[in-house]
Amino acid sequence: DTGVSQDPRHKITKRGQNVTFRCDPISEHNRLYWYRQTLGQGPEFLTYFQNEAQLEKSRLLSDRFSAERPKGSFSTLEIQRTEQGDSAMYLCASSLVAANTGELFFGEGSRLTVL
Amino acid sequence: GENVEQHPSTLSVQEGDSAVIKCTYSDSASNYFPWYKQELGKRPQLIIDIRSNVGEKKDQRIAVTLNKTAKHFSLHITETQPEDSAVYFCAVIGGGGNKLTFGTGTQLKVEL
Repeated sequence: DTGVSQDPRHKITKRGQNVTFRCDPISEHNRLYWYRQTLGQGPEFLTYFQNEAQLEKSRLLSDRFSAERPKGSFSTLEIQRTEQGDSAMYLCASSLVAANTGELFFGEGSRLTVL
Repeated sequence: GENVEQHPSTLSVQEGDSAVIKCTYSDSASNYFPWYKQELGKRPQLIIDIRSNVGEKKDQRIAVTLNKTAKHFSLHITETQPEDSAVYFCAVIGGGGNKLTFGTGTQLKVEL
């Protein structure tokens, strides 16, 4: 499968613990996005990278959230000191700027449950 | 930032009928308007998109129309089938931006 892959698919953690999600984009895609989706809502933008540079972060992203894309390939999203309100599906998506279509290719998501 | 509103939140139609979902946006410089379909437990997938220099686009049973003056665009599905049942999201890329802002979604149910 050459699509966007995310790991883990499901994570259950206790409040206060740290969690990390990984995203492997489509190999030739230079843009990588993180979105959060809660039940009954549309995906909500968190941050995006072009190659290894983080170009934009949502104002909704608290200091407990950090994302990296060190070599311009895979990305990690870390949430420190998790809270129950962090429970959501975390979606990664990638795109190719040169394609000029704007289409985002989404992964299956990482579902976080904070107890 | 960009504000996208989507209506209705739920839509139930009989098989074979048409379905229409509407979205409005706030940024007049927005230039790209895709529609994504998300089946239960699955990833969102692009079904059709339109750019600001086009008023209408059609792909088999699916069409999208754009009214830039009124800042709204719509998804039209004709001859609906049970496999069209899913949540549909509109999205917008604002002027000068590089990220998609999504609507809140429409749960479409096609009944036999």
